[in-house]
Amino acid sequence: NAGVTQTPKFRILKIGQSMTLQCTQDMNHNYMYWYRQDPGMGLKLIYYSVGAGITDKGEVPNGYNVSRSTTEDFPLRLELAAPSQTSVYFCASSPRWGNTGELFFGEGSRLTVL
Amino acid sequence: AQTVTQSQPEMSVQEAETVTLSCTYDTSESDYYLFWYKQPPSRQMILVIRQEAYKQQNATENRFSVNFQKAAKSFSLKISDSQLGDAAMYFCAYRRGSDSGGGADGLTFGKGTHLIIQP
Repeated sequence: NAGVTQTPKFRILKIGQSMTLQCTQDMNHNYMYWYRQDPGMGLKLIYYSVGAGITDKGEVPNGYNVSRSTTEDFPLRLELAAPSQTSVYFCASSPRWGNTGELFFGEGSRLTVL
Repeated sequence: AQTVTQSQPEMSVQEAETVTLSCTYDTSESDYYLFWYKQPPSRQMILVIRQEAYKQQNATENRFSVNFQKAAKSFSLKISDSQLGDAAMYFCAYRRGSDSGGGADGLTFGKGTHLIIQP
């Protein structure tokens, strides 16, 4: 069972470069999320989506963009990488109906901006 | 906005002993879920236990149990017979339920407690 798959797992970027973190889920979940985790901190919500074509900002959206063209995929785009975006990024999903509340997480992507 | 507070940055316990991790939260909603997630060095977020706010009975999963005090907005995790594999970061998290908007905006996390198991 694949669940939530994130790629890449590790990446080093130079300041000003752009990249996309990929996220795909095979559970047919309506809700998808991007979180970031800084050292010694909990996870903070960047963006979320309740379905294809619908996205909304979370607590820390600045410097990021998202799109949701299909139910399965929810990529996160960094346009001009900055050192403050060095973090571990988690994608997660959950169903809309029959919801037990929990989120299902990918394994995380460690991004370093130098 | 909801907030989740974990006041213990680090806890240490002897193997086979019992340890309790604290969590408090703030919300004006009546329908919500509370969770404890475990994050080992592998980074994977693993669900430990879940509590629905409408249930008065405390949730239990094998060696893990919670003390849910709704009026006090407290949600502590008790780990019995601690094992070396329990060493990890533990995060308390909150999510609104379907009667409170459906929780489409996901989980709100505390800052975590680093649990050390002494052999």
